[in-house]
Amino acid sequence: GQQVMQIPQYQHVQEGEDFTTYCNSSTTLSNIQWYKQRPGGHPVFLIQLVKSGEVKKQKRLTFQFGEAKKNSSLHITATQTTDVGTYFCAGTNDYKLSFGAGTTVTVRA
Amino acid sequence: DAGITQSPRHKVTETGTPVTLRCHQTENHRYMYWYRQDPGHGLRLIHYSYGVKDTDKGEVSDGYSVSRSKTEDFLLTLESATSSQTSVYFCATSLRGENYGYTFGSGTRLTVV
Repeated sequence: GQQVMQIPQYQHVQEGEDFTTYCNSSTTLSNIQWYKQRPGGHPVFLIQLVKSGEVKKQKRLTFQFGEAKKNSSLHITATQTTDVGTYFCAGTNDYKLSFGAGTTVTVRA
Repeated sequence: DAGITQSPRHKVTETGTPVTLRCHQTENHRYMYWYRQDPGHGLRLIHYSYGVKDTDKGEVSDGYSVSRSKTEDFLLTLESATSSQTSVYFCATSLRGENYGYTFGSGTRLTVV
């Protein structure tokens, strides 16, 4: 079964607001990856975090890997309608990549 | 992504029939994967390949088989389709395996009636 849990499952955001989605694992991960899937589309790789406490930014998106390498977060500032979609985290443990169930984001204009 | 082509894009088949889905890549990636996506379950790994003729099972491999005779092609076969196999199937490739980002194909929507 899945080793990686994501919360919340759904996120309804007012355009312009910030939100955060979280990813948690019961085991230590060697890396964490984040993907975005637009409605009707396929997952697209966004970023990979490897180091404990690592923080990376892509424009309005901030990705963080926890100190214990068991959790991660994705924070989006000033949400836009282009941010609509499902965000998946995926963690590597024992040479296997496990995907979380995703956070589906809708935006109110 | 233009480097990964899945065929067919949509298929409706009857229960009990065999079905083969094809994934073709021009990325020259060593690693290839088949996932299924169902609401509430995210992406679940069916089978994967780490080279020509080298394949292994994922977490939901029952009822599925795969073959990889060339670097470019990874075939997924449903030996006798069941309604529980109605899903969206994604192929993915990776240059260096699970420690490197995956590139996904556009998916095949399979309906078993």
